[in-house]
Amino acid sequence: GNSVTQMEGPVTLSEEAFLTINCTYTATGYPSLFWYVQYPGEGLQLLLKATKADDKGSNKGFEATYRKETTSFHLEKGSVQVSDSAVYFCALSDHDEGASKIIFGSGTRLSIRP
Amino acid sequence: DTAVSQTPKYLVTQMGNDKSIKCEQNLGHDTMYWYKQDSKKFLKIMFSYNNKELIINETVPNRFSPKSPDKAHLNLHINSLELGDSAVYFCASSRVWASGVTDTQYFGPGTRLTVL
Repeated sequence: GNSVTQMEGPVTLSEEAFLTINCTYTATGYPSLFWYVQYPGEGLQLLLKATKADDKGSNKGFEATYRKETTSFHLEKGSVQVSDSAVYFCALSDHDEGASKIIFGSGTRLSIRP
Repeated sequence: DTAVSQTPKYLVTQMGNDKSIKCEQNLGHDTMYWYKQDSKKFLKIMFSYNNKELIINETVPNRFSPKSPDKAHLNLHINSLELGDSAVYFCASSRVWASGVTDTQYFGPGTRLTVL
């Protein structure tokens, strides 16, 4: 079946450090890929998405490129801020899945030190 | 304007009680969901409704019963609450394309349920 695997947290970085959160997926069809972010005490919100191979999603300085050859969608940011501290979820939606749902990874907690 | 709203935000109750959580979306989406998030932030889908019809019913105790009076509302009723039901419950909605691919899901703020 379809699945998403993302790096275990927590990840702790200093402000202005470079961030990478790895995400790989398994899918039988042609999935859309998403990164969601959950700030403390809030629901999940979309950070960025890509709907086909080689697409790059970007938002708030974060980027992720849909790599079909490596089945990956790694999240990157060049210079993190304290306000980026949150839990990040990689997810996929696949039209071969049958039922309409998005499959989420287990989440990666990110903490940024001032 | 709130896109997906849930009430209540906090719910503290005794074991054995029955409680309901309400969810409403004003995005015009056809599909709504309930998720359970545990203390380690793992997100588990419970139910999905499309146009008031149950589409997904994951392995959830039958003490949990969703009800969709119209496509803008999806409520969750829980009977005989147990300690293990303590979690944060999120409602979400999305559009589903004709191809079957789910577009971006929009989440409510969550309901933190504590069973004592």
